[in-house]
Amino acid sequence: AQSVTQLDSHVSVSEGTPVLLRCNYSSSYSPSLFWYVQHPNKGLQLLLKYTSAATLVKGINGFEAEFKKSETSFHLTKPSAHMSDAAEYFCVVSDRRNFNKFYFGSGTKLNVKP
Amino acid sequence: DAGITQSPRHKVTETGTPVTLRCHQTENHRYMYWYRQDPGHGLRLIHYSYGVKDTDKGEVSDGYSVSRSKTEDFLLTLESATSSQTSVYFCAISDQGANTEAFFGQGTRLTVV
Repeated sequence: AQSVTQLDSHVSVSEGTPVLLRCNYSSSYSPSLFWYVQHPNKGLQLLLKYTSAATLVKGINGFEAEFKKSETSFHLTKPSAHMSDAAEYFCVVSDRRNFNKFYFGSGTKLNVKP
Repeated sequence: DAGITQSPRHKVTETGTPVTLRCHQTENHRYMYWYRQDPGHGLRLIHYSYGVKDTDKGEVSDGYSVSRSKTEDFLLTLESATSSQTSVYFCAISDQGANTEAFFGQGTRLTVV
């Protein structure tokens, strides 16, 4: 079975400081992993995806995620937070052997303080 | 942006009435999904489709039904709406293949009073 756990429901950082949003996954085979962002009252936008080509994945707006098989983790990072990063972030795993069904974590709300 | 349109975008309905939400895609993707979003739960899968007239239940399917008579359209029906079905509903599409991402519609905010 595929599942993800987001370890923090809320994260608060100051503008210009690093961001770390944590995600652990469970998968019975090599996973397909994604991070999505949702700004208030908006739809979901893909930040990045893990394709197994490289363990460090670069996404949009300066975000990165590192796939660590030994730790079953796929944490999202950004070196320097911007006010516009304030949003909710979702870690997602898809079951590529079962119609690509997508399973979401419960989300992490990122607050960026001036 | 992927061509996904949800309608209506907002709806208020009374308990016990039927409600149908529509998802329309122009990408010719094989897979279509309906999710609901509730605070603290992320998005949860209601139903999905893997082809015309091919659908199956997700993790929170009770009280919902779906139909897909054309590749581009996926309908979600609440047979008799209840207050617990007040939520934001998202349609998503995905193509075949490994590591293929989902594209989401803008969502439908449904309030059952």
